[in-house]
Amino acid sequence: NAGVTQTPKFQVLKTGQSMTLQCAQDMNHNSMYWYRQDPGMGLRLIYYSASEGTTDKGEVPNGYNVSRLNKREFSLRLESAAPSQTSVYFCASRASGPEQFFGPGTRLTVL
Amino acid sequence: AQSVSQHNHHVILSEAASLELGCNYSYGGTVNLFWYVQYPGQHLQLLLKYFSGDPLVKGIKGFEAEFIKSKFSFNLRKPSVQWSDTAEYFCAFNAGNNRKLIWGLGTSLAVNP
Repeated sequence: NAGVTQTPKFQVLKTGQSMTLQCAQDMNHNSMYWYRQDPGMGLRLIYYSASEGTTDKGEVPNGYNVSRLNKREFSLRLESAAPSQTSVYFCASRASGPEQFFGPGTRLTVL
Repeated sequence: AQSVSQHNHHVILSEAASLELGCNYSYGGTVNLFWYVQYPGQHLQLLLKYFSGDPLVKGIKGFEAEFIKSKFSFNLRKPSVQWSDTAEYFCAFNAGNNRKLIWGLGTSLAVNP
């Protein structure tokens, strides 16, 4: 099992560009999450999906959209990137228990 | 509001020193507690967890944590740290059946050889 995979690993965007971060899990987990990690701010939840077909906002949803494409995949879209969205983005998934499993992250720089 | 407080933001130790990282949560009901570790350049990995039962839980790599309900604490300990323990450590909890984890801001641990 690959666990949680994320693409790309690194990305540089210019202000105003759009992009989609991809996340997939092969553990048959119901819930999936998108976080951003910034120095000194820990992990902040952007969006999550409790199950296929549902999505909910987290702490910092502004500027992002998500799609739960199917049970395996949960994508995060930046429609018009801003320098404030420079961060490391982690996807996570969870089965029925509370433990979350994390992907390797995407390091995004917005110039 | 539910929150997690990690008291030490940066800790520097020499190899073989003992480690204790503080974690306090704010919630009055049943909780599930976690410590995650993030090695440099890597993703978060579960170090240990507490759901119920024995309040002293043992995790990977010689780490342990003790849940003290009266103090709302879940401190992480290791008797003798190694250089390879250099990492960022995050405490988190979820309340009951809540699908979201509440995260602390993390503690950066540097172990000097």
